[in-house]
Amino acid sequence: QSALTQPPSASGSPGQSVTISCTGTSSDVGGYNYVSWYQQHPGKGPKLMIYEVSKRPSGVPDRFSGSKSGNTASLTVSGLQAEDEADYYCSSYAGNNNERVFGGGTKLTVL
Amino acid sequence: QVRLVESGGGLVKPGGSLRLSCAASGFTLSDYYMSWIRQAPGKGLEWVSYSSSTNSHTNYADSVKGRFTISRDNAKNSLYLQMNSLRAEDTAMYFCTRDTAIAVSGDWGQGTLVTVSS
Repeated sequence: QSALTQPPSASGSPGQSVTISCTGTSSDVGGYNYVSWYQQHPGKGPKLMIYEVSKRPSGVPDRFSGSKSGNTASLTVSGLQAEDEADYYCSSYAGNNNERVFGGGTKLTVL
Repeated sequence: QVRLVESGGGLVKPGGSLRLSCAASGFTLSDYYMSWIRQAPGKGLEWVSYSSSTNSHTNYADSVKGRFTISRDNAKNSLYLQMNSLRAEDTAMYFCTRDTAIAVSGDWGQGTLVTVSS
């Protein structure tokens, strides 16, 4: 149950795009299309932004998109807005009776 | 709408026990897998445990296996986490989540804080 690897920080100016990576192994990210992404603002509970690699729950802006290549998943935020500044966590199914693993989180700063 | 309300957190000494509860409303608990996820102060998210819709299947993170037990009472719309032999490293905000897809926490409660300290 090793954590997925995310960069600790990312940044971009309003209107720009930023991509956050999430690297795992063939036992989690690379083995299943069950990667999800969560947004967490300070002092708040997490919010689901992307699931099953690239699906968006109802209500999540289409500025948020997800993808995967091999053992690395990515979250792209296009047209950055001030309210996108938050911590972002990736998570993956890891098999073995519904085990799940999270990344260490990426703090996104909107400059 | 979906609402998850955790309770039962607090200050406990190392080696002690706590039972967390999660009151669910706005959906039928027996239709969903549920999970507990925790977040140590200033740290990232850590999956703790999951319960299948009837609790016939459960699993735990290695860090809590043998010490924590997840259960539910679907008739009372409640999910529980019994935590025994607590350690300082169990100090965290504990979130109850509704799994809306495989390994996906689609809905989260506000969390309940557990502090393990002498």
